[in-house]
Amino acid sequence: DTEVTQTPKHLVMGMTNKKSLKCEQHMGHRAMYWYKQKAKKPPELMFVYSYEKLSINESVPSRFSPECPNSSLLNLHLHALQPEDSALYLCASSQVGIEAFFGQGTRLTVV
Amino acid sequence: DQQVKQNSPSLSVQEGRISILNCDYTNSMFDYFLWYKKYPAEGPTFLISISSIKDKNEDGRFTVFLNKSAKHLSLHIVPSQPGDSAVYFCAASARSSGSARQLTFGSGTQLTVLP
Repeated sequence: DTEVTQTPKHLVMGMTNKKSLKCEQHMGHRAMYWYKQKAKKPPELMFVYSYEKLSINESVPSRFSPECPNSSLLNLHLHALQPEDSALYLCASSQVGIEAFFGQGTRLTVV
Repeated sequence: DQQVKQNSPSLSVQEGRISILNCDYTNSMFDYFLWYKKYPAEGPTFLISISSIKDKNEDGRFTVFLNKSAKHLSLHIVPSQPGDSAVYFCAASARSSGSARQLTFGSGTQLTVLP
């Protein structure tokens, strides 16, 4: 099983809403990542969790709040987003190593 | 400062011919390189990787070549098929003390394989 599952696939939210993106993997990977990708751009790293601890936060605004409840789950809590935050949000996992496996992404639209 | 560069935003190749996608990097600390394939509105799919101690890695139709002295790598796809049409991202990874490795991506190359 080399699958990273992200829900929901699509999300439309208003600027005053609170929503959460979810990510799950059952490969026993101990590193999990959130990336943001805008159209025609490469994925940009947002957060890295290693052994369920936040190890990297790439200067992401506080309206994005990550959470790692256990080694299989990763959430991204969203609050008071701006229209420019609309993007494809990608979750990935790796065995604290090399190849990162990506989920299908959540297409987020902020209206 | 882009540490991983893909200078060709697009490439068109005839079906059955070879596709060669190129990638350059600047950071000497990178010790692992990967290629991902991405369709629109989907997550990147891992294709093939190479360690910096090797100069070639092959997996079926995909071969990655690494030239450390030139800080250059390339992905060869042969024979190319229409289903290979996608955006290809080069990524590089370096050891990081105290935290998980992270990937640095190039800007991507749109490959179109013409029937």
